[in-house]
This record gives sequence, C-alpha cells and structure tokens, in this order.
Amino acid sequence: EVKLAVHGGGLVEPGSSLRLSCVASGFTLGDYYMEWVRQAPGKGLEWIAATRNRAKDYSAEYSVSVNGRFTISRDVSQNILYLHMNNLKTEDTGIYYCARDVGGIDDYWGQGVMVTVSS
Amino acid sequence: DVVMTQTPVSMSVSLGGQVSISCRSSQSLVHNNGNTYLSWYIQKPSQSPQLLIYKVSNRFSGISDRFSGSGSGTDFTLKISRVEPDDLGVYYCGQGTQYPLTFGSGTKLEIK
Repeated sequence: EVKLAVHGGGLVEPGSSLRLSCVASGFTLGDYYMEWVRQAPGKGLEWIAATRNRAKDYSAEYSVSVNGRFTISRDVSQNILYLHMNNLKTEDTGIYYCARDVGGIDDYWGQGVMVTVSS
Repeated sequence: DVVMTQTPVSMSVSLGGQVSISCRSSQSLVHNNGNTYLSWYIQKPSQSPQLLIYKVSNRFSGISDRFSGSGSGTDFTLKISRVEPDDLGVYYCGQGTQYPLTFGSGTKLEIK
C-alpha cells in the first residue's frame, strides 16, 4: 500500500528556515517523480516544487514563488522526500502536501502539515 | 504558465442528482507524446486532495463509475451522476503537461 507521511511543520518567524519530510512507503522513491504542493488558508492548490526520478538524475523544477529559497531533495536509502525552506515569508503560510507524480498525475498525496510564518 | 479556469465556483445539488464542472486551459494540454495530462481531484473537508480522473477520462483505482471525465485540447468536463453525500468537497482540475504544474481554483460542491 502506498503511503506518504509528512512531518516537520510548525510556527516560525519570517526569515527563518524549516525542513519538511515526506516518508514514503509501499514503493521505491527513486523510481518516481515527486512533488510538493501547498495550500494557503482558505485558498486553492499551488504546485511549488518537483523532482524527477533516478532516470532523470533527480532534476528539479520550482515555482517562481519559491525558486531560490526552497530546495527539494530526497534520501533514496531511507525513502524520504525533503523540502528545505529558507528565508520564509508570511505568504509561505499554509498546508504543505507531498505527492507522488506518475507522468504529470498526482496519484497519491500525503496528509499535509501546517507551516505558519509569523512574528 | 498554463492558466486553468474552473466554473462554477460553487454549486448545490440534491442527492441523486447530476452535476457538471467545467475546466478550461489557456493553452492546449496535449503533450509532445500525444497524451493530455488533465486530472481531476477532490478535496473532502479537512482531507488531502485525492485523484479521481487522470488523462482526461481515466478513473483512478477504486473510483466509482459515477464519475466521468471528457474533453480535449483546452476544454474539459467532470460529470458526477447519482450524487451521494460523500461527494461533497472541493473539486480541482490540474494540468501535468508542462511545468509549472497548475490547478484550477476549485469548485465547491454542496449537497442540498
């Protein structure tokens, strides 16, 4: 059974850093594209980052809103996907989901964690 | 970037009824490989999004045949027949044809 468990959310001040983890089970992380999608309070879904699979050298794509501040990575030995977030802004507040991407299709999603950026 | 426009923003339907949700993209979603990466998701209250339909008209594993997708190019539709209480939530279309991946703004389905 495919499962994605997201950890690491919390309350942080503007300008600080945070790392989210997405623990994958039921499949081999290195074989799949993976994504992070976020949702601001009361708003819709916003794709923010993706990493391709092993065959594509785990290359990454970022939205304009996070490019240069966020880094997506993975530890394939532990089957964990990460999102490293630096220089956090108040507008980064929201629920963060990881999702498995099968050819542009997000077939499984993690449960999401809340990140609140506030002074 | 591909802009995804969903209508209506919200709708109310009686149990057993039928609804249609429209999704239009600002560019064709036909990929170079010939596939059209248009998906539909439902986000039930306080839950993560769940995949319903992928590549326009393919139901994901375990999804009822009450859900059907259609369309091509830039114009797509999700139809839900014989609406049940568990269908309430927000429906999103999303495109996976090109980066940045983008979603529609959502359609909230309420049960009368």
